[in-house]
Parts: sequence; structure tokens; C-alpha cells
Amino acid sequence: GAVVSQHPSWVICKSGTSVKIECRSLDFQATTMFWYRQFPKQSLMLMATSNEGSKATYEQGVEKDKFLINHASLTLSTLTVTSAHPEDSSFYICSARDLGSEQYFGPGTRLTVT
Amino acid sequence: AQSVSQHNHHVILSEAASLELGCNYSYGGTVNLFWYVQYPGQHLQLLLKYFSGDPLVKGIKGFEAEFIKSKFSFNLRKPSVQWSDTAEYFCAVNAGRDDKIIFGKGTRLHILP
Repeated sequence: GAVVSQHPSWVICKSGTSVKIECRSLDFQATTMFWYRQFPKQSLMLMATSNEGSKATYEQGVEKDKFLINHASLTLSTLTVTSAHPEDSSFYICSARDLGSEQYFGPGTRLTVT
Repeated sequence: AQSVSQHNHHVILSEAASLELGCNYSYGGTVNLFWYVQYPGQHLQLLLKYFSGDPLVKGIKGFEAEFIKSKFSFNLRKPSVQWSDTAEYFCAVNAGRDDKIIFGKGTRLHILP
């Protein structure tokens, strides 16, 4: 099946710094990628939809200036958490949609802001 | 707006018991429905999906789900659970032409050996 990778899998950063998370579709082209956030013992919350070559569409309540999304190619989308704060600590998961309707999920990135 | 409701937050069963996890969605039009599983320490995996056709969908690992349009439901079932089914289960919906998948809050399933 289709594989989606994320890098890094785990990152710790200091408050006020920025962190970039990469999401790659390894064996297929993804015109659309999605970024989710998952709090402990809670469900996935969709943050934004990322389309290759265009601006991301953010869900209501998600700060676009804080969570910068770039979908530079058909196999790579990045999420940058700018000026991170402890409340940004979470599990970030991306998914990629192939030419059909199925989405494939990455393994997630655990961000801890100290 | 689309929403997904999972009735059971935490379910504890003994091995060989039958399982049914409830899922209801709110959207009046055409929907695609999914069940995902997240094993401890692992990423989300697709269990099964319904796009169209036979409303009884069979997935991996002996799971099945039935789409009942009149009840806006897509309940997950398994006749005999195993200890290895311990995981978190998420129901999700994708409505019409919208690419977005909206997840329910999840059901944590714990199987006693």
C-alpha cells in the first residue's frame, strides 16, 4: 500500500523557537495533503488542507501565521510551528490523498515545547 | 457542517466476546465513511471504508461495518474479539466532494486476555 512518512518522529524545542515537520508520500503523488493535531487521548482535529502549488486552507480557529504550511511538490508538504509555546505541544499527523479518494496517514510527529 | 459521534468512549471486553461500536454522522448528502484503528504506539490504519454499493462492508482482521442511511449510522462489528484488537478506533466521514475527513472522538477498546 501507499506509504507516508513524517520527519522528525519526535522533537523537543524551546519556547519561542520554530519547528519544521515534513510529510512525504513515498510511492505516490499527492496533490492534496492534510495536517491534523491529536491531543492525548483525543481524536484527530483537522488543522488545514494543503494543495500542491497553492495556499493552504485552514480550519476555523487555526492560526495560519502560527502554523505555516508549504506544499512545494507532489510528494512533500511541510508544517512549521512558529514561535512555539508549551500549549503547542501535541502529536501532529499528516495524511496524503492519492488520485482516488483514499487518504494515507503518516506515523505522526510528537512535538514537545519546553 | 459534518460531524461524527461515537457513543462509546471506552469499552472493555473479554476475548471471544462480540463487539459493536456505534458511529453516527450528521450530513444530509452523499458520504464516504471510514473506520480507522490506532494500535498502541502506532499510526492510523484503515480498517474499512464505504463509498457506495453493498452497505455491509468487510474490512481487515475480521471487522465489518454496516451503513444504514436512514439512521445515519456506520457501526463497526466483530463477532469474536482477540487480545490483539486492543486499540483506539475512530469513525470518520468525508462528505460529497469535500476532501476533508472528519473524525469522531474515538473509542478506546481494551480486550482482557
